[in-house]
Amino acid sequence: TQLLEQSPQFLSIQEGENLTVYCNSSSVFSSLQWYRQEPGEGPVLLVTVVTGGEVKKLKRLTFQFGDARKDSSLHITAAQPGDTGLYLCADRRVGGAQKLVFGQGTRLTINP
Amino acid sequence: GAVVSQHPSWVICKSGTSVKIECRSLDFQATTMFWYRQFPKQSLMLMATSNEGSKATYEQGVEKDKFLINHASLTLSTLTVTSAHPEDSSFYICSAGQVTNYGYTFGSGTRLTVV
Repeated sequence: TQLLEQSPQFLSIQEGENLTVYCNSSSVFSSLQWYRQEPGEGPVLLVTVVTGGEVKKLKRLTFQFGDARKDSSLHITAAQPGDTGLYLCADRRVGGAQKLVFGQGTRLTINP
Repeated sequence: GAVVSQHPSWVICKSGTSVKIECRSLDFQATTMFWYRQFPKQSLMLMATSNEGSKATYEQGVEKDKFLINHASLTLSTLTVTSAHPEDSSFYICSAGQVTNYGYTFGSGTRLTVV
């Protein structure tokens, strides 16, 4: 059974600071996805990465996928209060119903 | 873009009663939908895969007789929590998506409180 570990589990920083959160898998990712979830809402897809070593940018967010496709990081530059939320990494398994396996998440709070 | 609508957003029910939650794909057809459960400050746990026109596939440890899933059309899946108890109180979320490189679209969730 694949295990996805995210770190840190909780992070509280001031507006304007930079931060990095991590996602590590016990096995190679099929297709790594990052989601953000706000309280009382469903998760929203941020990015999908497939190729080892891949780097994707989404405004102030930079996503890196490890060469071995077993780890990933999400870096946020100049964090803003609107970045507050639960950040989830997930593996979209190939074959069958293509289920998503989620990590336990990083709960991020950006203080004004 | 793909839109998934979930209803109701929240529901309070008495112990022993049943509650039905609906998940609709509004602008696309979904042969497969997923139902998740999320406890406070925790991640999403997959409960079952809903398959249009056939039986749902439940994850290990999920009681299929307690969490009834029906996927009778390509745009609607329902989750019925039968004989609800306070320990069933949770945030239930559905998702659906087409088989592309893009992620699944999630509903906005249903907060169930059993009193």
